[in-house]
Amino acid sequence: AQSVTQPDIHITVSEGASLELRCNYSYGATPYLFWYVQSPGQGLQLLLKYFSGDTLVQGIKGFEAEFKRSQSSFNLRKPSVHWSDAAEYFCAVGEDNNDMRFGAGTRLTVKP
Amino acid sequence: EAGVAQSPRYKIIEKRQSVAFWCNPISGHATLYWYQQILGQGPKLLIQFQNNGVVDDSQLPKDRFSAERLKGVDSTLKIQPAKLEDSAVYLCASSLGPSGGELFFGEGSRLTVL
Repeated sequence: AQSVTQPDIHITVSEGASLELRCNYSYGATPYLFWYVQSPGQGLQLLLKYFSGDTLVQGIKGFEAEFKRSQSSFNLRKPSVHWSDAAEYFCAVGEDNNDMRFGAGTRLTVKP
Repeated sequence: EAGVAQSPRYKIIEKRQSVAFWCNPISGHATLYWYQQILGQGPKLLIQFQNNGVVDDSQLPKDRFSAERLKGVDSTLKIQPAKLEDSAVYLCASSLGPSGGELFFGEGSRLTVL
């Protein structure tokens, strides 16, 4: 059965520092992989999506993610974090928009 | 363009009572989803509609949860009777279709069962 693991429940980084959020997945076929962000009191917003092609995917707000099939990973990165990036980040796997399974999320705190 | 609208935003009920949540998707979006997000967990798909037909309800606790999308637009999710473990945020999302494009989520309806 498909599943998603986000090993880090909470991460704190300083503003301007780089960020990497980890995501590991288990899926029988070739999955679609997603990263969503959820700010307090708001709905989830799609940051980026991967299915095939270049394994480095660019998203909105300066985020990127790299698909590594050998490691079953899809880690999210940002070179320089802004205070407005503080939020909950969710990795998800699915068959495109169907049967999407979310990880438990990583809460990002940004220190000034 | 208006986003996905949900109501009510907050609801507090006692166990064994019933509750209903309403969702109005983005205009023209054929696919509608209801997710349950328990505190500290990621969203879990409850049911997916394509127009007014159910595509996937495998994770919907059908003994107490029901959902409908009669005219292929608005949708209602009902819980009857509610249990303490139903306390969660209920998220509605919509997309143009089941393939391609993006899911757009509403702000959610937070349910507290006492």
